[in-house]
Amino acid sequence: QSVLTQPPSASGTPGQRLTISCSGSSSNIANNYVYWYQHLPGMSPRLLIHKNNERPSGVPDRFSVSKSGTSASLAISGLRAEDEADYYCAAWDDSLRGWVFGGGTKLTVL
Amino acid sequence: QVQLVESGGVLVKPGGSLRLSCAASGFTFTAYYMSWIRQAPGQGLEWVSYISTGGHTIYYANSVKGRFTISRDNTKNSLHLQMNSLRAEDTAVYFCVRGGGDAFDFWGRGTMVTVSS
Repeated sequence: QSVLTQPPSASGTPGQRLTISCSGSSSNIANNYVYWYQHLPGMSPRLLIHKNNERPSGVPDRFSVSKSGTSASLAISGLRAEDEADYYCAAWDDSLRGWVFGGGTKLTVL
Repeated sequence: QVQLVESGGVLVKPGGSLRLSCAASGFTFTAYYMSWIRQAPGQGLEWVSYISTGGHTIYYANSVKGRFTISRDNTKNSLHLQMNSLRAEDTAVYFCVRGGGDAFDFWGRGTMVTVSS
């Protein structure tokens, strides 16, 4: 069981807007930054968004995040076929004194 | 360009030991925290350990505490993970990752560790 909870799967059609949720607790999401990672098939994971909607170079602004209390969400607008990947949320956990990940959400573009 | 190249992954018996290495290039190694993150077959990502720039601050996941030791050699731009008392549940792809005090902003390709009799 992962400390952060994500839906195992999500799907959408090209052009659609879709959100992926990440639920945690007061020891992680509520008081720390949430990070999102994209893991494309056959590739290494890459940082997608960090801190307050900061995107590394090359990540399109179709990706955005929000946070409220102990939950966070990743939103993908204008869904494209190349967005098909596994998405993970992560945060530092003050109680465990370590990084925790969500179980990952497999996104399928229909 | 930034490169992280892992090595050392092999098939090892339960109870055995293994040392993973990561060669870093293309950035100022001494300026970055470094981490190991693993992914078991068909599973999600699991953070294993991180080490600060000078090696003075180290954290481990509870699942590996007391069995794994992270270290770095700033003179050789290398990161290491000494893995002892290996268990079947340690079977995973191990990624060398830049970061740990903040975002994990660059990942290596990974090296496969299989623990099986």
